[in-house]
Amino acid sequence: DAGVIQSPRHEVTEMGQEVTLRCKPISGHNSLFWYRQTMMRGLELLIYFNNNVPIDDSGMPEDRFSAKMPNASFSTLKIQPSEPRDSAVYFCASSLSTGQGFEKLFFGSGTQLSVL
Amino acid sequence: AQTVTQSQPEMSVQEAETVTLSCTYDTSESDYYLFWYKQPPSRQMILVIRQEAYKQQNATENRFSVNFQKAAKSFSLKISDSQLGDAAMYFCAYRSASGSNYQLIWGAGTKLIIKP
Repeated sequence: DAGVIQSPRHEVTEMGQEVTLRCKPISGHNSLFWYRQTMMRGLELLIYFNNNVPIDDSGMPEDRFSAKMPNASFSTLKIQPSEPRDSAVYFCASSLSTGQGFEKLFFGSGTQLSVL
Repeated sequence: AQTVTQSQPEMSVQEAETVTLSCTYDTSESDYYLFWYKQPPSRQMILVIRQEAYKQQNATENRFSVNFQKAAKSFSLKISDSQLGDAAMYFCAYRSASGSNYQLIWGAGTKLIIKP
């Protein structure tokens, strides 16, 4: 298995531009997570999908952030308009969740976003 | 609310020696999972080892082992025969065993430096 695949690996954009981050979870996994990592705040959960349905988006900073999961093999995180304070590493992670929750979380390589 | 504390921002060890990274947590729950994740310079978060709280036996994965002290709420990671490739940030994380609970509570991380 190729693991969780994220693209792009790096994104540099100007303030006000739209940014779309992409994620392909591991085949067969039914849970998908978007995290943001910064030096100041560490790892923050932005949104959690289960069976393609958003379960918890309370971590999404504001309306400028949106996430979709149109099918089991693809998810996007969009920022519109982007701001310099959005600069961070964005991770996608997937897992197989059962009634006991998930045992292991598998992360992608992340997208380093720089908003100038 | 649960918390995870890693009190060592940085640790260094000579190659081939043993190092122990500390992690303490606070919870009122009796059943939960604990994890150690490694984040090398490549950025990807990699699961190192996992411990179920109901298991008394400490988890081991090759050169990596944990010392799980449930009463003391301590979960340290021991790396034996340290290798240059072990250099990374190490994060301790907690998750409730409740099936509906998908939140990972993260520590701030410990940077491990391997001296050749």
